Amino acid sequence: GQQLNQSPQSMFIQEGEDVSMNCTSSSIFNTWLWYKQEPGEGPVLLIALYKAGELTSNGRLTAQFGITRKDSFLNISASIPSDVGIYFCAGPRPTSGTYKYIFGTGTRLKVLA
Amino acid sequence: DSGVTQTPKHLITATGQRVTLRCSPRSGDLSVYWYQQSLDQGLQFLIQYYNGEERAKGNILERFSAQQFPDLHSELNLSSLELGDSALYFCASSPRTGKNTGELFFGEGSRLTVL
Repeated sequence: GQQLNQSPQSMFIQEGEDVSMNCTSSSIFNTWLWYKQEPGEGPVLLIALYKAGELTSNGRLTAQFGITRKDSFLNISASIPSDVGIYFCAGPRPTSGTYKYIFGTGTRLKVLA
Repeated sequence: DSGVTQTPKHLITATGQRVTLRCSPRSGDLSVYWYQQSLDQGLQFLIQYYNGEERAKGNILERFSAQQFPDLHSELNLSSLELGDSALYFCASSPRTGKNTGELFFGEGSRLTVL
């Protein structure tokens, strides 16, 4: 099915470094969601974005809703070992009164202490 | 805590058997989604229910079925299990109105191991 393109696919970084990842689509979304999934656990919603150009922070995480509405970015500042996991973007598509969710391919983050 | 509850957390069974996974959505959420995630793979959408009715079907095998009950909890039934059905199964719910409209909240998952 349809997927959102995320890049990079994986990242190995040193503790303390900043991280940037993005998510792109060929079509417009009105909402962007960012999730983190740790091994064996369920995805946890980190940030939800509702408006083009919106910049939202959650602690060391900052996400932006792209102006074109076809992309979104997630930044993590001063990474720590517990940031390890897979980060997914997702876009809900309204359909028949509910939503269909399109997911990104994920960015796998590893932090070296 | 997302508010979505899944049981059991772990399940080990043999090929050919049948299991039932249970999900309670967040209070007030009418939509329930089921996803399968095999090792190191992405989330594969299986099926969605909204207020007791099936709304969308993804890559769900005929051996699998689901339902949503009047109290909005949902069950995913997996039968004639095969080794390849070993995976994490996630339930998620989303509100249609209100503060978190459009957001999707996941449970902690049920890890199924078929031996």
